[in-house]
Amino acid sequence: QSALTQPRSVSGSPGQSVTISCTGTSRDVGGYFYVSWFQQHPGKAPKLLIYGVSKRPSGVPDRFSASKSGSTASLTISGLQAGDEAEYYCCSYAGSYTLVFGGGTKLTVL
Amino acid sequence: QVQLEQSGAEVKKPGASVKVSCKASGYTFSNFGISWVRQAPGQGLEWMGWISGDNANTRSAQRLQGRLIMTTDTSASAAHMELRSLTSDDTAVYYCARTDTVTTVVMDFWGQGTLVTVSS
Repeated sequence: QSALTQPRSVSGSPGQSVTISCTGTSRDVGGYFYVSWFQQHPGKAPKLLIYGVSKRPSGVPDRFSASKSGSTASLTISGLQAGDEAEYYCCSYAGSYTLVFGGGTKLTVL
Repeated sequence: QVQLEQSGAEVKKPGASVKVSCKASGYTFSNFGISWVRQAPGQGLEWMGWISGDNANTRSAQRLQGRLIMTTDTSASAAHMELRSLTSDDTAVYYCARTDTVTTVVMDFWGQGTLVTVSS
């Protein structure tokens, strides 16, 4: 499968909101409600932020929200903080019990 | 608390095989699966495959089929990933992640990663 399409980078100032898009096809993002989002700081393992399109695991602040429209999923981070600066990855079920990741988006907090 | 502890870094020659282990604690191992994800230097995440905790079911990325072997040892609460016929393109950090067995997509806890370097 081809990787999902994410912007290479986004940026925002502290307190602002940013949205990261994740575009796939009807065979992955558009076909299922199984989209996850991960945050990865340099040198660290990924951390689950969102699963099932818009559900937050326990401990993830509600500043992180997500949705899906058609074949595009979106992650919104509100009230940006310096610690939010990281790489963000989307991931979708792609049928036949396989998963596909997005290429990643680097968030810079100005 | 849920923890996944991975084995240490490996250096392998092209054509060799590597085996990475992932020791789980803090939950009932057989109730969850384990996914394997890798990340080449400076690159994004790549899903490799998934195995159920009871070792009964596996799924793997098509491009790795034939080279990737995933197993679990329920008695030891451990998962193992073996990758054969290594090339330099397999140089990456390899992660294991606890994964639900219903949807097989929710990777909620991750190991610290294991660096595998393939070099002659």
